[in-house]
This record gives sequence, C-alpha cells and structure tokens, in this order.
Amino acid sequence: AQSVTQLDSQVPVFEEAPVELRCNYSSSVSVYLFWYVQYPNQGLQLLLKYLSGSTLVKSINGFEAEFNKSQTSFHLRKPSVHISDTAEYFCAVRRFSGGYNKLIFGAGTRLAVHP
Amino acid sequence: DTAVSQTPKYLVTQMGNDKSIKCEQNLGHDTMYWYKQDSKKFLKIMFSYNNKELIINETVPNRFSPKSPDKAHLNLHINSLELGDSAVYFCASSQGKAQGVGNTEAFFGQGTRLTVV
Repeated sequence: AQSVTQLDSQVPVFEEAPVELRCNYSSSVSVYLFWYVQYPNQGLQLLLKYLSGSTLVKSINGFEAEFNKSQTSFHLRKPSVHISDTAEYFCAVRRFSGGYNKLIFGAGTRLAVHP
Repeated sequence: DTAVSQTPKYLVTQMGNDKSIKCEQNLGHDTMYWYKQDSKKFLKIMFSYNNKELIINETVPNRFSPKSPDKAHLNLHINSLELGDSAVYFCASSQGKAQGVGNTEAFFGQGTRLTVV
C-alpha cells in the first residue's frame, strides 16, 4: 500500500533564503505524486505534480520538485522564498485500489517565512 | 467562477444536532470526494462518489451519510454530532473514468470549518 511521509512538521526560514520540504513515499507500483499548498484559512491548491516523463517538475511561482525513484522521494524546493509562501504544504500520492483512485496525503509541513 | 464550492464556510452547532454541508463542482468531473482535516492538519479521505455511485467509504461512522443527487453535487449529512466531529471538511473532485484511468489530480473546495460545542 502507498503511504507518504513528510519528515518535517515545521520549517522556519528567513525571506529570500532557499528551502526544501521533504517527502518520501512507499509504493510498489507506478507512482503519481503531488504537492498541494494550503494558505491560511483557505482550501488546498495544486502546486505541482509528477505523472511521468521528466523527473523535475516546476510550478509557476518558483517551486520545483524532483521525483527520485531510487530514494523514493519527491522533495519540494525553492531557491528564494517570500513572505507570501507561508503556508501548509502537503505531499500526496495517488493510490489505485478497487478500480478507483484516491489521494493519500502526508501529515503536512508548515513553512513559516520570516522577514 | 468557483470550480468546487462548499457551503457553509463555517458551521457552529451543539452536540447531538444534525447538520449538512453542501458541495457543487462545475468542472464536469465524474468523481467527487469528502476529506476530513483534523486539528493537526492531517487530511484523510472519507468518501468518494463516481457518477453518483459510492466507491470509497473509509470506515467512517454511519452518522455520516453522503448523498449525490447528480454527479455535480455531493452533500454530507451528519447525524447526532459529537465533539470529535469538529474539523475542517473538504470537498474535492477529479476527472476520471469509472476504472480510474486518467483520474489524477483533485480540485478542492475552500473547506467547511465545523465546530461542535
């Protein structure tokens, strides 16, 4: 069965510093991976996804994640963060069971960007 | 235009009451979901419907009863509310065929914060 582990519950960082949010998954089959972001008091928004092809995927706001099959990881990175990036970030893997799909989420990582 | 909309956004109610949360999606998706986010931000799927048919039920108490009048709507009714039901409930939808092919990312609503007092 697939599962997702986000190794850090909180990541404090100063503005303009680089950041990495770690995500590891366990799966014995082909993997679809996602990062969702939840800004304060809002719903989840898809940040980026890996379905197939290039292992490096990018979002429009400067985040990127790399699918690493050998390390079963899908870490999220940004070279220079902004105050507005403060949010909860969730890594998720698609689980296919009984003919249908569902997303399995990690516990989330709170990114707190300080001035 | 809101893709997945939930109402109400906030819901405060007393223990023992019955309440409903409504969800509508205008994306033309076949599959809809309810997720529960607890106080520690942990997200867990509760139900999934595909074309009005229940396909996933993750051992949720039977006080929770989803209803899908059509594939664009998935409402959640909760009977005899308990303190432990306090959480944020998210509705979501995704595109996909009955066998899950092509069913990938999910689009989420803004959430309904339920507080049981």
